[in-house]
Amino acid sequence: NAGVTQTPKFQVLKTGQSMTLQCAQDMNHEYMSWYRQDPGMGLRLIHYSVGAGITDQGEVPNGYNVSRSTTEDFPLRLLSAAPSQTSVYFCASSYSANFYYEQYFGPGTRLTVT
Amino acid sequence: AQTVTQSQPEMSVQEAETVTLSCTYDTSESDYYLFWYKQPPSRQMILVIRQEAYKQQNATENRFSVNFQKAAKSFSLKISDSQLGDAAMYFCAYRSFSGAGSYQLTFGKGTKLSVIP
Repeated sequence: NAGVTQTPKFQVLKTGQSMTLQCAQDMNHEYMSWYRQDPGMGLRLIHYSVGAGITDQGEVPNGYNVSRSTTEDFPLRLLSAAPSQTSVYFCASSYSANFYYEQYFGPGTRLTVT
Repeated sequence: AQTVTQSQPEMSVQEAETVTLSCTYDTSESDYYLFWYKQPPSRQMILVIRQEAYKQQNATENRFSVNFQKAAKSFSLKISDSQLGDAAMYFCAYRSFSGAGSYQLTFGKGTKLSVIP
């Protein structure tokens, strides 16, 4: 199993550009989520999904869109990048939304918006 | 909303010694989960240990153990026989047992642990 994979590892965008951060897992996990990590802060939840076709907002959803058309993939879209979105982004998955099951994190994507 | 506070931005420990990282949280809920995650320089988030609030017994995982004080809302991590590979950022996290808060982890700001050879 590859676990949770994220692409790209690094990205630089100009203000106003759009892009999609990719996340995939091969563990047949129902639950997937996106977090952002800013300097001196813990991770904060952006969006999550409890299954294909079902998504919901987390703590900091503004400026981001998600969709979940398959169990495996959960892309995060930045519609019009802003410098405030400079951060490290983590995707995570678990067997179910019941956190008794361990969450597995991807390696992260470092995004810089200039 | 729940909050998680880690009051020690940085800690250091001599190799083979014991260190304790502090975490306090604020919640009005009675059932919840608590976690410690390790983030080495590789950025990978790794689950170290977890505790269910309804269990009075403190969780242990090899050299890692917790001191869970529910009334005081305290959840400290003890690392025994510290090794160089333990050097990392450590995050304390909270998750509600049910309801909307059960779908997310609320993290503290982290403690950077250095291990001195």
